[in-house]
Amino acid sequence: GAGVSQSPRYKVAKRGQDVALRCDPISGHVSLFWYQQALGQGPEFLTYFQNEAQLDKSGLPSDRFFAERPEGSVSTLKIQRTQQEDSAVYLCASSFPGFYEQYFGPGTRLTVT
Amino acid sequence: AQSVAQPEDQVNVAEGNPLTVKCTYSVSGNPYLFWYVQYPNRGLQFLLKYITGDNLVKGSYGFEAEFNKSQTSFHLKKPSALVSDSALYFCAVRDYSGGYQKVTFGTGTKLQVIP
Repeated sequence: GAGVSQSPRYKVAKRGQDVALRCDPISGHVSLFWYQQALGQGPEFLTYFQNEAQLDKSGLPSDRFFAERPEGSVSTLKIQRTQQEDSAVYLCASSFPGFYEQYFGPGTRLTVT
Repeated sequence: AQSVAQPEDQVNVAEGNPLTVKCTYSVSGNPYLFWYVQYPNRGLQFLLKYITGDNLVKGSYGFEAEFNKSQTSFHLKKPSALVSDSALYFCAVRDYSGGYQKVTFGTGTKLQVIP
């Protein structure tokens, strides 16, 4: 399909492990966002890319979180030395720049044990 | 800083009755407002948005929302609720003062339509 895809859909990590979450945006969408959604809460902004440039990373909770989009298309969110509080659903969204709506992927549910 | 408030954790409405899901916002510049719906185990889906112009915005699945600048509100409405409308609804605001791109979401309102 032509929607936003994310992989893996589910990830179980032991505390201290590194994880990498992938997002494939809709082709042609310049803007890409990462969100963290805790159970029963709204999505919390993590970071924003316009093409390959990371213009806002103010929502990343610690320096263990790192995101990249090297060619302006696929993006990877990496979490180093995972902690239990990192357990959440990580959502990726893409859009055209400006006031356009975002298209969300299905999310990756991360469980840290 | 921008913020969004959804004062009701859950709204219950009988099928066929009108529904309203409330949202208020706070921004420093011009607000761009959105409603999204989330069905179980699925990603968020766009419903409608207000950018400028007519205060009454129509969107997908028969939903509409009214922008009220004086009350800083953007309530979601539908004239006749369907059981299939039962889902989690999120209001979001995007502040464009200074070209800021961050989108802030509310905590969500669970809509339960009772047959």
